[in-house]
Amino acid sequence: GAGVSQTPSNKVTEKGKYVELRCDPISGHTALYWYRQSLGQGPEFLIYFQGTGAADDSGLPNDRFFAVRPEGSVSTLKIQRTERGDSAVYLCASSLNGHIDEKLFFGSGTQLSVL
Amino acid sequence: KQEVTQIPAALSVPEGENLVLNCSFTDSAIYNLQWFRQDPGKGLTSLLLIQSSQREQTSGRLNASLDKSSGRSTLYIAASQPGDSATYLCAAYNQAGTALIFGKGTTLSVSS
Repeated sequence: GAGVSQTPSNKVTEKGKYVELRCDPISGHTALYWYRQSLGQGPEFLIYFQGTGAADDSGLPNDRFFAVRPEGSVSTLKIQRTERGDSAVYLCASSLNGHIDEKLFFGSGTQLSVL
Repeated sequence: KQEVTQIPAALSVPEGENLVLNCSFTDSAIYNLQWFRQDPGKGLTSLLLIQSSQREQTSGRLNASLDKSSGRSTLYIAASQPGDSATYLCAAYNQAGTALIFGKGTTLSVSS
């Protein structure tokens, strides 16, 4: 596609439920990143994929959070037993090869609200 | 551990004014320093990337400088326009080069 696509754009769920957030990176981009942004804060790193593997998952806050990228393109961020503190905008970004001097392209994000 | 701070948190200026946004970082061993723009309800758009060996980078009315020794970067916007109204974020990579560490941003409002 033309840009990074994230679905859904908005997700409202109840505390304790399971949610999946999807990211479609730019075609051909091997590097994919997930960030979380709370109101008034900068994006906070969650996980970085290079191809199908998680090269750095040190930002995942706890074991309720998990992400996959089985075919090296689309990625899904999965949150189990959601808590109100999980409410935030979840941003996905991709770059061509993951080199540090490459431009990152961000999606518009998924606004997650946990009631 | 890299930490990034931005001041001011918010800035309001009349159209046509030149302005400077500030960014500071704690670990001077950076790979590069990046500036992004974020519009409400949108993702981030990359504006400028200054490599660690560079002192500044320019794109149109935007000029970003980097002083590694003092741990500072500035984004200079010339002749501001209402369309420049947005949140501006700076970021530097962590030591492993795998994750960008962002500041909280400066929210700019340019009035006509």
